[in-house]
Amino acid sequence: DADVTQTPRNRITKTGKRIMLECSQTKGHDRMYWYRQDPGLGLRLIYYSFDVKDINKGEISDGYSVSRQAQAKFSLSLESAIPNQTALYFCATSQRDGTGELFFGEGSRLTVL
Amino acid sequence: QKEVEQDPGPLSVPEGAIVSLNCTYSNSAFQYFMWYRQYSRKGPELLMYTYSSGNKEDGRFTAQVDKSSKYISLFIRDSQPSDSATYLCAMSEGNTDKLIFGTGTRLQVFP
Repeated sequence: DADVTQTPRNRITKTGKRIMLECSQTKGHDRMYWYRQDPGLGLRLIYYSFDVKDINKGEISDGYSVSRQAQAKFSLSLESAIPNQTALYFCATSQRDGTGELFFGEGSRLTVL
Repeated sequence: QKEVEQDPGPLSVPEGAIVSLNCTYSNSAFQYFMWYRQYSRKGPELLMYTYSSGNKEDGRFTAQVDKSSKYISLFIRDSQPSDSATYLCAMSEGNTDKLIFGTGTRLQVFP
């Protein structure tokens, strides 16, 4: 099984719908992140959490919210999806006292029609 | 201007070629430099990690950092079709700080 698991892997939805992307990890890492990847724009940080009680906005948090339900679980919500949120979303983890290396899930492809 | 600039490619080379991938950056406080490799439909995986300036070699891969020029490179020797992927540079000010990624360079190695 993957160390960082994202669900769903693919989702097609309509404008205005609420969407939740879920991430769970078995690496025992404290830190978790949500990125989105767009062609020509690379990976951009949406939100990050350094522990269960710590949530921080990243570069592009507008239109998104997150919940850190446990050390191993970090979910990303789109309260009212819009077409420009169509992207590939990645969850990642890192160790608190590590090198800063990120361990990524396999991604969730979201299409908003 | 983006903090990290990377040529998106695509870069297409024959098997056995030497490949050079590069990134430039503007933040002189960056000290930690990484290269991630991303295969199609997969998440990025760390390939090389370098602290401050200098070279680091791992098998066919060499990472170079020139902080005076704000320029980092990844060299792949004897490139293989299995090296076909997107390569992303990433960097941070501290080893526990947020990583800033380049846009990625798509590499294709043909037999």
